[in-house]
Amino acid sequence: EVQLVESGGGLVPPGGSLRLSCAASGFTFRSYDMNWVRQAPGKGLEWVAFVSTSGSTTYYADSVKGRFTISRDNAENSLYLQMNSLRAEDTAVYYCARDYPASGGDYCDYWGQGTLVTVSS
Amino acid sequence: ETVMTQSPATLSVSPGERATLSCRASQSVSNTLAWYQQKPGQAPRLLIHAASTRATGIPARFSGSGSGTEFTLTISSLQAEDFAVYYCQQYNNWPLTFGGGTKVEIK
Repeated sequence: EVQLVESGGGLVPPGGSLRLSCAASGFTFRSYDMNWVRQAPGKGLEWVAFVSTSGSTTYYADSVKGRFTISRDNAENSLYLQMNSLRAEDTAVYYCARDYPASGGDYCDYWGQGTLVTVSS
Repeated sequence: ETVMTQSPATLSVSPGERATLSCRASQSVSNTLAWYQQKPGQAPRLLIHAASTRATGIPARFSGSGSGTEFTLTISSLQAEDFAVYYCQQYNNWPLTFGGGTKVEIK
């Protein structure tokens, strides 16, 4: 059974930093690209970042580019999101999601339960 | 960026009735369109990919159609467990973008 378990969320002041983790199990983690997707309270879904299987290719939403860094450790079956210079508008539940390589593009086939990040003084 | 627009924002339906949800893309995304279901306090769940292919374990009452810029998710006979928010998402190009969601509520 595919499992994705996020951790590391919490309350952080504006301008602060936080590192999220996602522990993967039930599949060959090193064979799948991965994503982070977030959801502000009461709002819709927003894709945040993508990392390839090797970690050599990354993409970011414009809203987080230059502030967030996605990375992975295939030996530890773990995905990370380093978030710096946090803003109030970064407040959201952050989900890690497995990327499925389909014809024409990639979609997210499995999602974790999410971890809440609150940016507030 | 491809903007995804869903309508209506809220759909009130009685159990056993049919629900039809729409999703429009600001530019053609071919058939690279996914639908997700999200219940309160839960993570999204993949329902449909490639516009019309049901994901593993998804009941046949869920069907998707469309290509290019116009897409539809149909729930043929709503069950109690189907009342939720539904999101469409294009994966034809980066950034991946989602629609704003349609909430299906009990009438």
